[in-house]
Amino acid sequence: GENVEQHPSTLSVQEGDSAVIKCTYSDSASNYFPWYKQELGKGPQLIIDIRSNVGEKKDQRIAVTLNKTAKHFSLHITETQPEDSAVYFCAASKGTYKYIFGTGTRLKVLA
Amino acid sequence: DAGVTQSPTHLIKTRGQQVTLRCSPKSGHDTVSWYQQALGQGPQFIFQYYEEEERQRGNFPDRFSGHQFPNYSSELNVNALLLGDSALYLCASSWGGTGGYEQYFGPGTRLTVT
Repeated sequence: GENVEQHPSTLSVQEGDSAVIKCTYSDSASNYFPWYKQELGKGPQLIIDIRSNVGEKKDQRIAVTLNKTAKHFSLHITETQPEDSAVYFCAASKGTYKYIFGTGTRLKVLA
Repeated sequence: DAGVTQSPTHLIKTRGQQVTLRCSPKSGHDTVSWYQQALGQGPQFIFQYYEEEERQRGNFPDRFSGHQFPNYSSELNVNALLLGDSALYLCASSWGGTGGYEQYFGPGTRLTVT
């Protein structure tokens, strides 16, 4: 069935260092890959996304890469700050329909 | 511009009872998706409403039902509540037309079943 695996489940980095979170999807028909940040007690917030016709996308300190052949996509956060601490989720979908989410990565940025 | 809103924020129910959760989509959006998020897990897709019809459904029993109104707002109904239904229920809105892939989430309704 459709599945998205996400690693690692927890990640601790020193402030200023980079963080990388990786996801693998199973359905080769997936064509849209968003990333969400969820803070305690809040709903997921869309932080960046990538479509299957693009290999990389960057927005300030955040970037996402996609390898369609390997069915892998990754989130890269550079120059991490304490406010980046949260749970991050990747997801995969086929256009306007349901998202399949990964299991989440708890990122801790140590000051 | 108001984002996605959900009500109530928190809810406590007893096993066997029924519950209704409400969602208003972001301005300009016509599609509403509902997700269930258990503690420490990723959101799981329940169903999606577009043009007042259920367009897609996840692996949830018939006890979970929904509705979309002409103003695009939506309700999620859960009958015969079980302890395992305790979770954060998230509503996400999007534009149902071509290319409308982005889903924006509300703050959720925390349901506790005792």
